[in-house]
Amino acid sequence: NAGVTQTPKFQVLKTGQSMTLQCAQDMNHNSMYWYRQDPGMGLRLIYYSASEGTTDKGEVPNGYNVSRLNKREFSLRLESAAPSQTSVYFCASNVAGAGDTQYFGPGTRLTVL
Amino acid sequence: AQSVTQLGSHVSVSEGALVLLRCNYSSSVPPYLFWYVQYPNQGLQLLLKYTTGATLVKGINGFEAEFKKSETSFHLTKPSAHMSDAAEYFCVTNAGGTSYGKLTFGQGTILTVHP
Repeated sequence: NAGVTQTPKFQVLKTGQSMTLQCAQDMNHNSMYWYRQDPGMGLRLIYYSASEGTTDKGEVPNGYNVSRLNKREFSLRLESAAPSQTSVYFCASNVAGAGDTQYFGPGTRLTVL
Repeated sequence: AQSVTQLGSHVSVSEGALVLLRCNYSSSVPPYLFWYVQYPNQGLQLLLKYTTGATLVKGINGFEAEFKKSETSFHLTKPSAHMSDAAEYFCVTNAGGTSYGKLTFGQGTILTVHP
């Protein structure tokens, strides 16, 4: 039982390049989330998927797209990376519901030059 | 809209001393409240949470928090700090009634424990 896994762990991009961050969970959770973490700002929600087949914008969705590939996998795509997207990205999942604990992956540290 | 404010971005204590990390929330509806911990270069781990029921919540590693509606607070405490408690702590909320886990994070408090 690996929980929530993310790939890659580190990535360096040049401005304008694209990439996809991968996330998978093996806990049979319905909901999945993508956050970004910036110093002094906590984590901010980028996109979420309440259930397989649905996705919705969070607090900071501009410049990102997501795909809920199946129940296990939820990917985050940067189509044209910008230096402002330099951050640590976390994927999380939970069964569903407002009071349900979210389980976080180890994070992807992305630098855009 | 809900929000949380953590008082103090850095807290420093001596090993064996009381740990007190402060959090105040703002919500138009009864909130769900969480404390998460992040160790260096790792993901986040749940310490404890308040949903309904008992207002004093006990979590892992000897931490506890008390939900005080009259003060709109959810402060995190531990009677005796250990070196392994050094980490960043986040107070988090999710307004009750929301169907999905759209969490709102505080800005975080870095706890340093001195020998």
